[in-house]
Amino acid sequence: DGGITQSPKYLFRKEGQNVTLSCEQNLNHDAMYWYRQDPGQGLRLIYYSQIVNDFQKGDIAEGYSVSREKKESFPLTVTSAQKNPTAFYLCASKRGDKSSYNEQFFGPGTRLTVL
Amino acid sequence: AQSVSQHNHHVILSEAASLELGCNYSYGGTVNLFWYVQYPGQHLQLLLKYFSGDPLVKGIKGFEAEFIKSKFSFNLRKPSVQWSDTAEYFCAVNAGGFKTIFGAGTRLFVKA
Repeated sequence: DGGITQSPKYLFRKEGQNVTLSCEQNLNHDAMYWYRQDPGQGLRLIYYSQIVNDFQKGDIAEGYSVSREKKESFPLTVTSAQKNPTAFYLCASKRGDKSSYNEQFFGPGTRLTVL
Repeated sequence: AQSVSQHNHHVILSEAASLELGCNYSYGGTVNLFWYVQYPGQHLQLLLKYFSGDPLVKGIKGFEAEFIKSKFSFNLRKPSVQWSDTAEYFCAVNAGGFKTIFGAGTRLFVKA
């Protein structure tokens, strides 16, 4: 059963701590994405990766970091430098050809709360 | 910069009412357009998409959308909504490549 998994579903951290959100896909997609979803602001792109060992900053990359060591995995680290980290984080993937009409497939999301 | 504007942030309808959610984008070139839906407690999923051909596209669950190039619009419609259509709807645009721009979303609540 192909899809995207994100773990954990809920995450609580103290202010000043780094935290890593997991994203795994078994769709054999080349491209992967991290979005942040805040009420009334839609989805804002944090980072994306087109292929293994390559990634680019999105619109709101400050305070976040990623790695793409394996095709299946694209973990996101929320660092202490992120000023407002409490949010719902969505991971997505897409077939890696250059066709822009391919849709993205989304994971269930991780709700991060920083106390 | 590309942007996507969804006209209504919250919509409340009674069952059997007709639905139209507005979406406008700002990009003058060729675009691919999407509507995604997020049902309560579920993954964001594709409702329908347009990339070429007939500007009226049909999606799942009786939804359709019309691409009007001259108006830079891609409005979502459904003739008769059901309680199960309660969800958040996102319009999205891809103007080439890997990056897709999403609108702010419209929360639809359908009263039974």
